[in-house]
Amino acid sequence: KAGVTQTPRYLIKTRGQQVTLSCSPISGHRSVSWYQQTPGQGLQFLFEYFSETQRNKGNFPGRFSGRQFSNSRSEMNVSTLELGDSALYLCASSLVGLAANEKLFFGSGTQLSVL
Amino acid sequence: GNSVTQMEGPVTLSEEAFLTINCTYTATGYPSLFWYVQYPGEGLQLLLKATKADDKGSNKGFEATYRKETTSFHLEKGSVQVSDSAVYFCALRDGNTDKLIFGTGTRLQVFP
Repeated sequence: KAGVTQTPRYLIKTRGQQVTLSCSPISGHRSVSWYQQTPGQGLQFLFEYFSETQRNKGNFPGRFSGRQFSNSRSEMNVSTLELGDSALYLCASSLVGLAANEKLFFGSGTQLSVL
Repeated sequence: GNSVTQMEGPVTLSEEAFLTINCTYTATGYPSLFWYVQYPGEGLQLLLKATKADDKGSNKGFEATYRKETTSFHLEKGSVQVSDSAVYFCALRDGNTDKLIFGTGTRLQVFP
């Protein structure tokens, strides 16, 4: 069974640009959640999608958005990039989501550098 | 709000030493508690979890006990190996919002 796949692995952008990151969950998993990992802040929850609907949202500005497709693949978009958006972005998938206390399966992440 | 506090790293140990990584939490209600591990270049993996007070989670020789009276969930292992070198994250699931709240992570380095 393939694991969680995130693409691209690395991205370099400049301030003001926008970026789209992709996450393909494990087959059969319907929940995808996104996290931002930085050395100073650790992991911070961005949002969770389940069956194409955003079910939960963290405390990030509106420049951060996401969506989920009917095949459960998810994308995350960041507009008007700022230097502080440089981070490792991780996605995780599970069968039914965070409320069930079930195990999350994480991808290897997309390392975003904003210059 | 809910939060998780972990001891700062790096924690540097020799092989076969005893490991403790401290984790304390602040939460309303009764959160579920987790330890995740991140090996170099990889995503996080669930190491163990506990869902109620006095539960003990265990896996791969690691253990942690949910202590409500001290709001702690310390990670322990009796004899670490070089292959245990990784970053360890303590986390809680907020019972009201279902969000996962992570600590900042503790890097463990084990030398032969």
